[in-house]
Amino acid sequence: EGHLVESGGGLVQPGGSLRLSCEGSGFTFDIYWMNWVRQAPGKGLEWVANIKQSGSDTDYSDSVEGRFTISRDNAKNSLYLQMNSLTAEDTAVYYCARENWGRFDYWGRGTLVTVSS
Amino acid sequence: IQLTQSPSSLSASVGDRVTITCRASQGISNYLAWYQQKPGEVPKVVIYDASILPTGVPSRFSGSGSGTDFTLTISSLQPEDFATYYCQQFNRFPRTFGQGTKVEI
Repeated sequence: EGHLVESGGGLVQPGGSLRLSCEGSGFTFDIYWMNWVRQAPGKGLEWVANIKQSGSDTDYSDSVEGRFTISRDNAKNSLYLQMNSLTAEDTAVYYCARENWGRFDYWGRGTLVTVSS
Repeated sequence: IQLTQSPSSLSASVGDRVTITCRASQGISNYLAWYQQKPGEVPKVVIYDASILPTGVPSRFSGSGSGTDFTLTISSLQPEDFATYYCQQFNRFPRTFGQGTKVEI
């Protein structure tokens, strides 16, 4: 059974930066696309970004394009999300999720990012 | 690709048959998953590839559809099924979600 554990969330001021991490275990990390999904308080799920197995291809939602960067280190079974120019609208729980043939089958517990002065 | 779920919320009783609809803004073949999320919990996939039930998901859950119109059906609602349900498409990037349907008592 695989597991994903996020870290790096916290309180940051508007305009600030934060780097989230997600460590995978119990599965072969480097053969899966990996994703970040966020959920603002009381709101629905919003897909944020994903990255191909090798890290060569990435994609972003329009709301974060140009501000967020997804990356991975397969040697460390780790996924990252560098978030810059943060605004209050980025306040959310951020989940990492494994994509497995047409579904996100493993999700971390999430890490809360709060953007506030 | 935009996904529109209906209804946004519904009230039902234990034992009811519940149907939730997800409509895609363009054809996505059968590349659709459904998730269940309970308050304070992580989303859990209950259907993928439009109609496939993952191991461990009760058989009262079923999915159907292809192209642009999809449904999630719970044949006999149980107390543990009260949750918010989301659809998600896997036909193209970005992997968009529907806005969610809250199933309430």
